[in-house]
Amino acid sequence: AQTVTQSQPEMSVQEAETVTLSCTYDTSESDYYLFWYKQPPSRQMILVIRQEAYKQQNATENRFSVNFQKAAKSFSLKISDSQLGDAAMYFCAYRSPVLAGKLIFGQGTTLQVKP
Amino acid sequence: DGGITQSPKYLFRKEGQNVTLSCEQNLNHDAMYWYRQDPGQGLRLIYYSQIVNDFQKGDIAEGYSVSREKKESFPLTVTSAQKNPTAFYLCASGQAARYNSPLHFGNGTRLTVT
Repeated sequence: AQTVTQSQPEMSVQEAETVTLSCTYDTSESDYYLFWYKQPPSRQMILVIRQEAYKQQNATENRFSVNFQKAAKSFSLKISDSQLGDAAMYFCAYRSPVLAGKLIFGQGTTLQVKP
Repeated sequence: DGGITQSPKYLFRKEGQNVTLSCEQNLNHDAMYWYRQDPGQGLRLIYYSQIVNDFQKGDIAEGYSVSREKKESFPLTVTSAQKNPTAFYLCASGQAARYNSPLHFGNGTRLTVT
């Protein structure tokens, strides 16, 4: 069964600094997709970034980038120039055709940004 | 603008009562999903539907029921058989066969049962 693990329940970063959130997953499939979602205190789920497993190039969206290591089944999120508005819970998620489009989520990492 | 609407935002019920959470989307998505969120446990899948008049159980379906009579609507009923119903519930929708596309989420319903 596919599983997603986020081993850091809480992280903190100083404003303007860089932080990396970890995510590992377990799968025997070759075709899958990975996502990072942000959930601020409003509890709205917001897509941060996505990565297709067949793409070797790491995805980047402005200050957010990923380090996708397919062989190691690792998918970490790097936030550069952290801002107060980045404070939220971050979820790593996995989606594949075999799962009929379901998203499998990690347990989440709460990020605190210190001014 | 297209989106997903969940209502109500907060819901209070007495133990032993069934309650239905509403989820409506105007994104023309075929697939819809219900997730439950508890502190420290991430999001767990309750039920999902890939097409009208068809749905499947997720990982924690016991004590819940759903219907999918219209493409736009996927209501979730929390029955009295659900042992611990107090939680935050999120509805999502997505394109059924485009797995690289993300799921879109509603704003959630906080259910409190006393």
